[in-house]
Amino acid sequence: AAGVIQSPRHLIKEKRETATLKCYPIPRHDTVYWYQQGPGQDPQFLISFYEKMQSDKGSIPDRFSAQQFSDYHSELNMSSLELGDSALYFCASSLRRTGSDEQFFGPGTRLTVL
Amino acid sequence: AQSVSQHNHHVILSEAASLELGCNYSYGGTVNLFWYVQYPGQHLQLLLKYFSGDPLVKGIKGFEAEFIKSKFSFNLRKPSVQWSDTAEYFCAFSNYGGSQGNLIFGKGTKLSVKP
Repeated sequence: AAGVIQSPRHLIKEKRETATLKCYPIPRHDTVYWYQQGPGQDPQFLISFYEKMQSDKGSIPDRFSAQQFSDYHSELNMSSLELGDSALYFCASSLRRTGSDEQFFGPGTRLTVL
Repeated sequence: AQSVSQHNHHVILSEAASLELGCNYSYGGTVNLFWYVQYPGQHLQLLLKYFSGDPLVKGIKGFEAEFIKSKFSFNLRKPSVQWSDTAEYFCAFSNYGGSQGNLIFGKGTKLSVKP
């Protein structure tokens, strides 16, 4: 079965650079979620999209923005990167219109900021 | 504030020992409850979930969890652990019908199983 795809899997950036992470949800899923997991930390919810509209916002810094495109893939844009942004960024998708909150997670993008 | 508390940060067991990982959530309304497992270097995988119905739910790999509403708890159990169960386990919930489904995670419990 198709799973959530994230790219790139690993990314190394310098401070103050920008980064774009991509997420391709499971086909026909209508909701995408982004989570950030710092080293040794639990995943923290950043932002979600339902049917291409922003649905909910968590602890996402103002330096970050995200959107969901017409093909339902989502991109997380991160600017003015800081050392503290080094983390594993997970994308998850779900089929919310059925009333299910079950989220399927992608493999994550490991971002390292030097 | 909505939160999840996992009682143990690190649990070390020998193979064949029984496992119980505690999880309590803080939220006054109806919740959907989840346990996810994260093997070293891998992504989160769903072990089991509770939405409604029988409070004792069975998941993959012999895991089960019991929802006790009066205690706001959703403890994970396995009668006999294996070395391959070494991983980090996260309890999480979402607000049923309330927010848009984003998960609130606990801090995780690292399980180390000695062969």
